[in-house]
Order: sequence, then C-alpha cells, then structure tokens
Amino acid sequence: DAGVTQSPTHLIKTRGQQVTLRCSPKSGHDTVSWYQQALGQGPQFIFQYYEEEERQRGNFPDRFSGHQFPNYSSELNVNALLLGDSALYLCASSVLSGGYTDTQYFGPGTRLTVL
Amino acid sequence: AQSVTQLGSHVSVSEGALVLLRCNYSSSVPPYLFWYVQYPNQGLQLLLKYTSAATLVKGINGFEAEFKKSETSFHLTKPSAHMSDAAEYFCAVRTQYHTGNQFYFGTGTSLTVIP
Repeated sequence: DAGVTQSPTHLIKTRGQQVTLRCSPKSGHDTVSWYQQALGQGPQFIFQYYEEEERQRGNFPDRFSGHQFPNYSSELNVNALLLGDSALYLCASSVLSGGYTDTQYFGPGTRLTVL
Repeated sequence: AQSVTQLGSHVSVSEGALVLLRCNYSSSVPPYLFWYVQYPNQGLQLLLKYTSAATLVKGINGFEAEFKKSETSFHLTKPSAHMSDAAEYFCAVRTQYHTGNQFYFGTGTSLTVIP
C-alpha cells in the first residue's frame, strides 16, 4: 500500500518565480492538507481540500493556492516567491468522516529553496 | 484558539534512560491530541493519538502518552531510550470548527540519545 507521495523532493527557485508542488494521497483517502515547515519550526497549516474544494485555510496570503483533482491528488501553487517561502512543504492525507478528518498521514515533503 | 506548547526544544537522555517529552494544550473542549516523530529529511510519522477512549495511550516503538485533563497535558514517555529514537517530536491538537477541523502543531522537541 503506497503511502503519501510528493514531488519533487527538492526545488530551487528565485524570487518572483512561481512554483507548483504535487501530492498523491494514501489509497482510500479523500482529503489533502498542506503544511509549511520552516527550519526549526513545527508545521503550519496552509489549507485543506476535499471534493476538489478548499474547506479550511490557515493564515497564508493569496499567493498560496491549491487544487484537488478527481483522483484526490492535489497541487500547491505559490506565486511571486519570497525568500521567506523557503521551507519544507508537507502534504498530509486523511479521510473525512462526519465532517471531520481524523489521523493525518504525511508525505516526505518537498524542500523549496528560494534564492 | 487552540494551541499546544512543547516545553524544552532540546532534550538529551542516555541510552536506556527514561524519555519524557512535555506537551501542554489549551482547549475549551475535549481535544484530540497527537504525537508525531520526524526523522531528518523526512515527513512526519504518527506515534500515537488521544481520542478520549482511554487516558493512557500506547503508540509505536514503545512510546506512550497520558492525557491529564487537570493539568492540560499530554506528555510523551518511553521507559528506555534507544539510539534510533533520536529525532524531532511534535505534539499536535486537532481543532473543531463548524466547517471542519485544523491541526495545530507545537514547535517541536529535538531528542538526542547519548550512547
């Protein structure tokens, strides 16, 4: 059973560029959440997708956007990159039940470096 | 807003000694609490979770945590540390909103095991 997969593993961009990160959830999971983990910090919630719609959003600017596809995979897009966007971006998948998600399973992350 | 506080950003123990990693939560309602472990350059792996079924929760790799409502704590313990336990540990709380839920993570505790 494949777990959560993310691509690419590493990415280097320059300020002002745009980036797209990808995530495939664990088999049987229908909900995808994205987190930003800066060096030495805990993961910070960006947003969550279910049924191709954004359900919850953390305190991140509109430069951060996402998408979920019919097969439940998801993309995170970041526009106008800033140096401060350098971080490990984690994708977590889960199952929505009764309106809530229970345990989240994390992928290995994408390390984004903005120069 | 709900949150978790991890006391001690760095903890060092000798191999075979007791491991105690502290987590306190702020919540106005019974929380759902989680402990995750993160090895270098990897995503987060679930160690255990509290969902009100039992106050003492056993997880993987010999870890356990006790939910103490009176102390608003959910400390992680392991009787005997192993070299392979060296990693970053994160406590997390799941919030509930009428539109769904979010996970909030602590800032993490780095565990060093001394041979």
